[in-house]
Amino acid sequence: SYELTQPLSVSVALGQTARITCGGNNIGSKNVHWYQQRPGQAPALVMYRDNNRPSGIPERFSGSNSGNTATLIISRAQAGDEADYYCQVWDSSTSQVVFGGGTKLTVL
Amino acid sequence: EVELVESGGGLVQPGGSLRLSCAASGFTFSSYWMSWVRQAPGKGLEWVANIKQDGSEKYYVDSVKGRFTISRDNAKNSLYLQMNSLRVEDTAVYYCARDRTPNSGYYNRDAFDIWGQGTMVTVSS
Repeated sequence: SYELTQPLSVSVALGQTARITCGGNNIGSKNVHWYQQRPGQAPALVMYRDNNRPSGIPERFSGSNSGNTATLIISRAQAGDEADYYCQVWDSSTSQVVFGGGTKLTVL
Repeated sequence: EVELVESGGGLVQPGGSLRLSCAASGFTFSSYWMSWVRQAPGKGLEWVANIKQDGSEKYYVDSVKGRFTISRDNAKNSLYLQMNSLRVEDTAVYYCARDRTPNSGYYNRDAFDIWGQGTMVTVSS
């Protein structure tokens, strides 16, 4: 089965740039989506198809995907960005939706 | 307003059954793939199952195959998850979620853009 690997935690200083990675075999050939989940809330889509922002998501959020790594980039990090972030793909070869294990972002 | 509202969660003994429902509103339900995603306490997200717009295709994570059944009633704008032979490890918040793109096919599945608030399922004796 296809697996996605995320770091358990990432820390970033207020106003700096956070990069959250998502590793997978040839993930660059897949569409990667990212979700933000704050405590006690449902997940919310923050990036779809590698580098597309849903309406309402600030331009500070961007994404990239190449080779074996996809990355969610959060520029000028704010306290409100503290949350868990999950990457996700659709693996058509196994008919499975796959989530990464999640990364806890801390803004210092 | 586009909305998904889950119901049907609760406490059930191991080996028992439960049926979850998800009521959709504010969009053309019959045009979208729909999914169930769960989250065990303190853990990450796990996709459970999805179903095509007309119900003709259904897919499941291996751990629930043969025990869970996803279905939908487009006339009632509703998604369901019948859960049988429940195990302690099925304890989780269960979310229903919508694919972002209407009328999509198997190979161009998209992100989940709308999520419900979740319903808690506790399997315990």
